[in-house]
Amino acid sequence: NAGVTQTPKFQVLKTGQSMTLQCAQDMNHEYMSWYRQDPGMGLRLIHYSVGAGITDQGEVPNGYNVSRSTTEDFPLRLLSAAPSQTSVYFCASSFASGTYEQYFGPGTRLTVT
Amino acid sequence: AQSVTQLGSHVSVSEGALVLLRCNYSSSVPPYLFWYVQYPNQGLQLLLKYTSAATLVKGINGFEAEFKKSETSFHLTKPSAHMSDAAEYFCAVSEQDGANNLFFGTGTRLTVIP
Repeated sequence: NAGVTQTPKFQVLKTGQSMTLQCAQDMNHEYMSWYRQDPGMGLRLIHYSVGAGITDQGEVPNGYNVSRSTTEDFPLRLLSAAPSQTSVYFCASSFASGTYEQYFGPGTRLTVT
Repeated sequence: AQSVTQLGSHVSVSEGALVLLRCNYSSSVPPYLFWYVQYPNQGLQLLLKYTSAATLVKGINGFEAEFKKSETSFHLTKPSAHMSDAAEYFCAVSEQDGANNLFFGTGTRLTVIP
């Protein structure tokens, strides 16, 4: 199992550009989520999905879109990048029931200039 | 809404000394509780979890944590620190509401002094 994979590992964008952060898992997990990590703030939930076709907002959803067309993939779209979106982004997945242990990807470090 | 407080953004201990990282949560119902570790430039790895079973939970790498409902605490301990324990540690809670969202504390960076 590859677990949770994320691409790219690093990305630099200019203000106003758009891009998609990719996330995939091969563990047949129903639940997938995106977090952003900022210094001194821990991780904050952006969006999550409890299954294909179902998504919902987390704590900090503004400026981000998601979709879940398959169980395996959960891409995060930045529509018009802003410097405030400079962060490290983590994707996570888990089974939707049980003890909720989440598995995290290696992260994408995004810089918006 | 859930909230998690980790006291001390930086903790330094000598190699071989006790490690104590503090976590308090606020919740109207007992949540699920987790400790994750993050090594430099890596993702998060689960250390241990509390899910309404035994209040003293043992995890990987010699860490353990005790759930104390009366104190709303879930402090992480290790009897003897190793150099390899240097990392950032995050406490997180998840409500038992059918969703699986984690609410994280702000993290504690552990430094181990040789």
